[in-house]
Amino acid sequence: GAGVSQSPRYKVAKRGQDVALRCDPISGHVSLFWYQQALGQGPEFLTYFQNEAQLDKSGLPSDRFFAERPEGSVSTLKIQRTQQEDSAVYLCASSRTGYGYTFGSGTRLTVV
Amino acid sequence: QQQVKQSPQSLIVQKGGISIINCAYENTAFDYFPWYQQFPGKGPALLIAIRPDVSEKKEGRFTISFNKSAKQFSLHIMDSQPGDSATYFCAASTKEGAQKLVFGQGTRLTINP
Repeated sequence: GAGVSQSPRYKVAKRGQDVALRCDPISGHVSLFWYQQALGQGPEFLTYFQNEAQLDKSGLPSDRFFAERPEGSVSTLKIQRTQQEDSAVYLCASSRTGYGYTFGSGTRLTVV
Repeated sequence: QQQVKQSPQSLIVQKGGISIINCAYENTAFDYFPWYQQFPGKGPALLIAIRPDVSEKKEGRFTISFNKSAKQFSLHIMDSQPGDSATYFCAASTKEGAQKLVFGQGTRLTINP
C-alpha cells in the first residue's frame, strides 16, 4: 500500500480486557517496528522485526505485551489484561533498510 | 534514563522568523540523528537526518547543525510558516541498534501568522 496502515484507529478497553492492534506495513518493507507514545511524550521503542523474525523485544514493558509477524508482512501487537498505564498511542513503522522509518497514524488505546 | 534531551518544550515564532530546537545526547555511540515532524492525530514523519561525519545538512528551509564535541544538534527552520506548526522530535540511534530510535521529549512549535 501507499503507507503504513494501522487498525483500529481508536480502541477503548475495560481494565483486564485483552486487545489486539494490527499493522499493515508498506509492501516490500522488511523491517517493522512498534513504538508506544504516551500523551505529550516522544515515542518509545517496543519491538522490532526483520521479516518474520523478532530481533529485539527489549522495549516491551511486561510479559503482558506480545508481538508477532508470522508471515513477514502484517504484524499484531497484543496486550493481555490491560491496565490503565497501558493507555497510549501505539505506533507502527516500517522501513526497507532500518533507517528512515515511515510511521502509521497509530492506534489510540484508552483503558478505562 | 533520558538519553536524548530536547528543548524548549514549546516555542512560538512569528511567520517568517527562524525556529530553533535543540537536542543534547549522552551516548557517544549514537551515529544517526533524525528529526521528525508530527501533526495531531498522525504518526511522526521524517524531516531530515544527519550523521556525525558532517557538521551541517540543509534540505530546503530545514537545516540540522551538529556539534560532535558538545554532543548537541539542532534543527533550524528558516522562514517559518503557519503550516510548520507541529510537534518536532529529535532522535538518535547507534550503528548496532540502528533499528531502535531514542526520541527526545518533543517541542510544540506554533507559528503565528
